Amino acid sequence: AQKVTQAQTEISVVEKEDVTLDCVYETRDTTYYLFWYKQPPSGELVFLIRRNSFDEQNEISGRYSWNFQKSTSSFNFTITASQVVDSAVYFCALGGFYNAGNMLTFGGGTRLMVKP
Amino acid sequence: GAGVSQTPSNKVTEKGKYVELRCDPISGHTALYWYRQSLGQGPEFLIYFQGTGAADDSGLPNDRFFAVRPEGSVSTLKIQRTERGDSAVYLCASRSGAGAGELFFGEGSRLTVL
Repeated sequence: AQKVTQAQTEISVVEKEDVTLDCVYETRDTTYYLFWYKQPPSGELVFLIRRNSFDEQNEISGRYSWNFQKSTSSFNFTITASQVVDSAVYFCALGGFYNAGNMLTFGGGTRLMVKP
Repeated sequence: GAGVSQTPSNKVTEKGKYVELRCDPISGHTALYWYRQSLGQGPEFLIYFQGTGAADDSGLPNDRFFAVRPEGSVSTLKIQRTERGDSAVYLCASRSGAGAGELFFGEGSRLTVL
């Protein structure tokens, strides 16, 4: 069975602080995909990133960066110099590599509040 | 519009009633998913369509839930004899083709069963 755990249910920071959202996953698959989605108050899940399990290279996109550690089954997400517009619920998700349907297993989400 | 469209955005119904939720995916997307998101939780998979057929309905909680996609585009999620525990946001997502490409989500239909 697949499982995604986001231990931080809620994080509050002040604008311009850096913040890291933790994600730990469990899977019996040897190859898989990991995702991060952002859910603003409008409710629509917005895709942020997808990583393949065989590619552990970390990725940076503007103020966002992701640290994939296969040895600890973690895929953490860091926002540098946070802004009020970053306030949202963030979900980590796991998908099967050989699963043609690629149904995603989501974590419980972390609510990030960035205060001015 | 260019995105995934879901209607109604809000639905309030009484226990025992029948409800239909509609999803209009991005044009040309062959894969369509329904997820359910309860308050304070992550989305949970319900059913996946590839074209017109339900390729995986293992997430449907019981036989009160059913979904169709007769022409391979618009999908309808049907809930019979609604219960208060069915209250949640029902999210639809679509993707082009098979594989692990990006899922595009709609804004969801919030169902409240009184």
